[in-house]
Amino acid sequence: NAGVTQTPKFQVLKTGQSMTLQCAQDMNHEYMSWYRQDPGMGLRLIHYSVGAGITDQGEVPNGYNVSRSTTEDFPLRLLSAAPSQTSVYFCASSILAGTNTGELFFGEGSRLTVL
Amino acid sequence: GIQVEQSPPDLILQEGANSTLRCNFSDSVNNLQWFHQNPWGQLINLFYIPSGTKQNGRLSATTVATERYSLLYISSSQTTDSGVYFCAVGANTGGFKTIFGAGTRLFVKA
Repeated sequence: NAGVTQTPKFQVLKTGQSMTLQCAQDMNHEYMSWYRQDPGMGLRLIHYSVGAGITDQGEVPNGYNVSRSTTEDFPLRLLSAAPSQTSVYFCASSILAGTNTGELFFGEGSRLTVL
Repeated sequence: GIQVEQSPPDLILQEGANSTLRCNFSDSVNNLQWFHQNPWGQLINLFYIPSGTKQNGRLSATTVATERYSLLYISSSQTTDSGVYFCAVGANTGGFKTIFGAGTRLFVKA
């Protein structure tokens, strides 16, 4: 059982380039989310989704786009990368129970450097 | 939005010692989790504990939701316990946002 899979694990971009971080889960979870973690800090929520076609903003959404066309996949897009987006990105998923999320399961992270 | 505070920010222990990590939150919550981030950056699920007490080997956790705090106990610490421990909460109001504390950085000396 693969769980939550993120690709790529490492990426270097130049300022202004675009890219997509991929996230896929095979647990049939309705809820998926993206976080960023900067050095010495906790994780901050970027965007989340409670099902196909439904997304919403987290704490730090600026500079990032998401879409959810299938239950399994939740890609994160950087349209014009900036050095401030250098970070480690984590994708997570969980079940939904009414208005609650269940236990979050995380991928292994994607380390992004913007020069 | 909900605020999550963890203490202490840093902790150094001798192998074999016990410790208590604390997580305070500013609003009522519908979920709470403890994670261990190992030195390789992986996030390991420890407990999903919106209320009550749970135990798993040398680790246990207690959440007192009415008083807005949770505690993580580590007994007989080992060097492999080193890393960062995060508390993450989802508020009753605020949609489906799970918010992380800044973490407690633990180093266990051999």
